[in-house]
Amino acid sequence: SQQGEEDPQALSIQEGENATMNCSYKTSINNLQWYRQNSGRGLVHLILIRSNEREKHSGRLRVTLDTSKKSSSLLITASRAADTASYFCAGTSGGSYIPTFGRGTSLIVHP
Amino acid sequence: NAGVTQTPKFQVLKTGQSMTLQCAQDMNHNSMYWYRQDPGMGLRLIYYSASEGTTDKGEVPNGYNVSRLNKREFSLRLESAAPSQTSVYFCASIGMGQRNQPQHFGDGTRLSIL
Repeated sequence: SQQGEEDPQALSIQEGENATMNCSYKTSINNLQWYRQNSGRGLVHLILIRSNEREKHSGRLRVTLDTSKKSSSLLITASRAADTASYFCAGTSGGSYIPTFGRGTSLIVHP
Repeated sequence: NAGVTQTPKFQVLKTGQSMTLQCAQDMNHNSMYWYRQDPGMGLRLIYYSASEGTTDKGEVPNGYNVSRLNKREFSLRLESAAPSQTSVYFCASIGMGQRNQPQHFGDGTRLSIL
């Protein structure tokens, strides 16, 4: 079962534009995490947002969490070609600390 | 620090062959995980080890076995490989205070079973 479902499945933009990816989840979460995966590599953690937080920033990344709508969004501002990757959200819930991953959003940033 | 290291990076097997995927972490993490990643399916948990000496089944454990050899190493074994096990396998670990800690991933083992 998947705790996170990303939308859109694929996103293609030009360098310099902003990229927004959304994640919806089914049950109440303890935290929600965003990861990036470059082609042929493992997942790299980007941001973890706890259920009592509404927004977090890290460099050009901004993550929001709306627990009433069971959704989160990842915004990448001023995107670069190097941001081309797949992005995954993953939630932990209940007594488990093991995140459950969504299917990911494939982002292509054209130079 | 190397982080999480997986070996081998690539492997081709014939149906029915066996093999062990190795994973080691040098971050002194307590818990370790094995996932498989298939196109369009995201990551699915195969087995995990919350601490040295313990292992538990995840979402898709059938056809696999694991061994938590010590705190650093967590191996995944395919006893009789099947084409349905063709996938990319990732090992991950989480540090102390596991709640609200991110996972650290290796770069994966790409396994093809003919």
